[in-house]
Amino acid sequence: GAVVSQHPSWVICKSGTSVKIECRSLDFQATTMFWYRQFPKQSLMLMATSNEGSKATYEQGVEKDKFLINHASLTLSTLTVTSAHPEDSSFYICRPVNPTYEQYFGPGTRLTVT
Amino acid sequence: DQQVKQNSPSLSVQEGRISILNCDYTNSMFDYFLWYKKYPAEGPTFLISISSIKDKNEDGRFTVFLNKSAKHLSLHIVPSQPGDSAVYFCAANSGGGADGLTFGKGTHLIIQP
Repeated sequence: GAVVSQHPSWVICKSGTSVKIECRSLDFQATTMFWYRQFPKQSLMLMATSNEGSKATYEQGVEKDKFLINHASLTLSTLTVTSAHPEDSSFYICRPVNPTYEQYFGPGTRLTVT
Repeated sequence: DQQVKQNSPSLSVQEGRISILNCDYTNSMFDYFLWYKKYPAEGPTFLISISSIKDKNEDGRFTVFLNKSAKHLSLHIVPSQPGDSAVYFCAANSGGGADGLTFGKGTHLIIQP
């Protein structure tokens, strides 16, 4: 089946620093990438949608200047959390859109901001 | 307004029995439904899906039933195994997989030995 990777799998950073999360689709090319986050005991929430070569579209309440998304190629998208704060601590998950109906998520990145 | 609802936050089932997880939706534009399984600190794993043109899809121990008139779907796992203990998310979208998924809040399934 399709394989999606994320790096790093977990990261701890200090408040005010920036963290970059990479998402790669290894078996297919994805023109569209979704980024989700999940807070403890809550559902997955869509943060933004990115299309290769164009600007990302952010969901209401998600700051585009804080969560920078770059979808530079059909197999790589990055999410950068800028000036991270403790309330940004969450589990971030990517989902490159697979041309087939079976949709696969990345394994997720646990971000802890101290 | 929550468009995908999983009203049972948790469900406990004995090993070997059938687990039935329920999901309701309100958006009549949804035409594709998926179930995901998620362990703590891992990304969701795709389990099974169903399009609105079908009312049943089966894959091994997993069967998903869709009742469009009631806007209800369910996931049946039989027989339930200890490794099935996880949080199960129901998700829906329109336009095939190209749209963002709308998730329910999940049901924590606990399989008891």
